[in-house]
Amino acid sequence: EIVLTQSPATLSLSPGERATLSCRASQSVSSYLAWYQQKPGQAPRLLIHDASNRATGIPARFSGSGSGTDFTLTISSLEPEDFAVYYCQQRSNSLTFGGGTKVEVK
Amino acid sequence: EVQLVESGGGLVQPGGSLRLSCAASGYTFSSYEMNWVRQAPGKGLEWVSYISSSGSTIYYADSVKGRFTISRDNAKNSLYLQMNSLRAEDTALYYCASYSDNLYYFDYWGQGTLVTVSS
Repeated sequence: EIVLTQSPATLSLSPGERATLSCRASQSVSSYLAWYQQKPGQAPRLLIHDASNRATGIPARFSGSGSGTDFTLTISSLEPEDFAVYYCQQRSNSLTFGGGTKVEVK
Repeated sequence: EVQLVESGGGLVQPGGSLRLSCAASGYTFSSYEMNWVRQAPGKGLEWVSYISSSGSTIYYADSVKGRFTISRDNAKNSLYLQMNSLRAEDTALYYCASYSDNLYYFDYWGQGTLVTVSS
């Protein structure tokens, strides 16, 4: 099973700041990686697919990069609605999720 | 607008069974691959099972293999998860999640149905 490790577990930032979230895979997943956002009481929402492609309707402040085993989700300037939990997920070998990164207000 | 509505959750004793349903609307259900994803209270996401658009290909997470059965009825626009031999660790919010056009990730999600396994 491919294990995805997300860091940090919690990121404390202020609105307007840049957020950088990491996802590391235990073996190469090529570019078969997605990022999701989940707010309390809501289902997850797909943000990025295939490592760097924004899903439909996702603002340009969200960007993804990486390939192989190391991936990054960047939020260029945090809006109030961006404070949430973010998960990465791979589909290279079966389907697994990372443990999540909570982006909270500092 | 695509809508996925789960139902069938509830409280069940360890060793018991439950059948979850997911009713789809707003798109051609029969064209899309479907999944169940669960989330234990306060925890992260865990993929549970996948079924192809025709139902001919099925996969399970190791944690549920041999106990859970995924199925679909394209005529009824519905997805199912039969859960047997339930354990405390199966307690979670169960989401149905759909791929979309040429996008093999979870693009559409329901709001989930809660399964609690406890005596």
